[in-house]
Order: sequence, then C-alpha cells, then structure tokens
Amino acid sequence: ETGVTQSPTHLIKTRGQQVTLRCSSQSGHNTVSWYQQALGQGPQFIFQYYREEENGRGNFPPRFSGLQFPNYSSELNVNALELDDSALYLCASSLLINTNTGELFFGEGSRLTVL
Amino acid sequence: AQTVTQSQPEMSVQEAETVTLSCTYDTSESDYYLFWYKQPPSRQMILVIRQEAYKQQNATENRFSVNFQKAAKSFSLKISDSQLGDAAMYFCAYRRYSGGGADGLTFGKGTHLIIQP
Repeated sequence: ETGVTQSPTHLIKTRGQQVTLRCSSQSGHNTVSWYQQALGQGPQFIFQYYREEENGRGNFPPRFSGLQFPNYSSELNVNALELDDSALYLCASSLLINTNTGELFFGEGSRLTVL
Repeated sequence: AQTVTQSQPEMSVQEAETVTLSCTYDTSESDYYLFWYKQPPSRQMILVIRQEAYKQQNATENRFSVNFQKAAKSFSLKISDSQLGDAAMYFCAYRRYSGGGADGLTFGKGTHLIIQP
C-alpha cells in the first residue's frame, strides 16, 4: 500500500504566474482534500474532491481550482499568484465514509515560494 | 464560523515526563469531532487521537489521552512518558459533523513540543 505522494517538493514562482501541484492518493481512497499552511500557522482548508467533483470549499478565491482524475489523483491549480500564496500545500486522501472522522492521510506537502 | 485556539506556542518537557497541551474552540454546533494531529519536521501530518462530541468518555490511545470538556469547549492533550520521537508541532483541529457534505478541518495555530533528553 503506497502512501500519499505530492510533487513537486519545492518550487519558486514569480507574482502573476500560474502553478500546478500534484497529488497521488493513497491506494483505495476516493476523496482528496487540499490545505494551505502558511509559515507558523495551522493548515487552512481549500477544497475537497469526491468522484471528480468538488464537494466542499473553504474561504479561497476562484483562482484556486482543482481536478480529481478517475484514478483519484488530484491537481491544485493557482492562477495569478500573489506573494501571500507562499505556503506549504498539503494534500490529504481518505475514504469519504471516514472523512468526518478525520482519518485523513496527508502527504509531505509542496513548498511554494512566490517572489 | 468555527475557531480553534491553541494558547501555547511552545512547550518543553523532560523525557519520560508528562505534558499537557491546551486547546479551546468555539462552535454553535452540537455534533462535531475534535482531533489532535502531529506534524514532525518531515511535514507529514499524522492523526494522534480523535474525540466524538457526543461521547462523554475521553479518548485514549496508548500514551496519549484527552480531557474533553464540552461545556467549556476545551480539548487538551496529555502525553505520558514523553519520548524523543514525540517532538513535533501539535495541531488541534475541529470538524463539524456534515453528513454527506465536506467542510474540511479547522486547525489551530499549533504548539511546538520540545522533548529535553
């Protein structure tokens, strides 16, 4: 059984650019969620995908978008990058039935720096 | 909106001693879940323990236990017999019981736990 893997591990972008972060869910998991963790802060919920549809979203603008693929892997896309988008982006996978109970399996994150 | 507050930015404890991390939360919901997650330097968040709000009995997982006070909206984590591997950031988190929906977890700002050998 493989865990949650994220790529890239680190990346640097400039303001106004676009970025795509990728996540491979743990085997058998059908739900993926994304979190933004700014330096010195706790993670903040961006959105969740189940069966390729967004079924929950936190307080993030539309320039944060996502995709979930039939193999349950996922992408997070951020357009028009701003300096405040610099953060660790965490992907978490789960079975929908376990999502309420917090049995999320997190990846090690992608560290995005926006200059 | 729900909020989670961790008032201790950093805690230090001697190896083999006991330490308690504090957490308070604010919600108008009656059904919800509370969690403690651990984030070591590897950055991967790991679930330590969870508590269902409808359960009066405090959750326990080996050396980890919680003190859940629903009326006071308090949810502290006690780590007994602290080990060097317990050193990490600890986050308290809340999730409303949302049935088929998806609200995500609301996290506190975290407590950095240092284990002194």
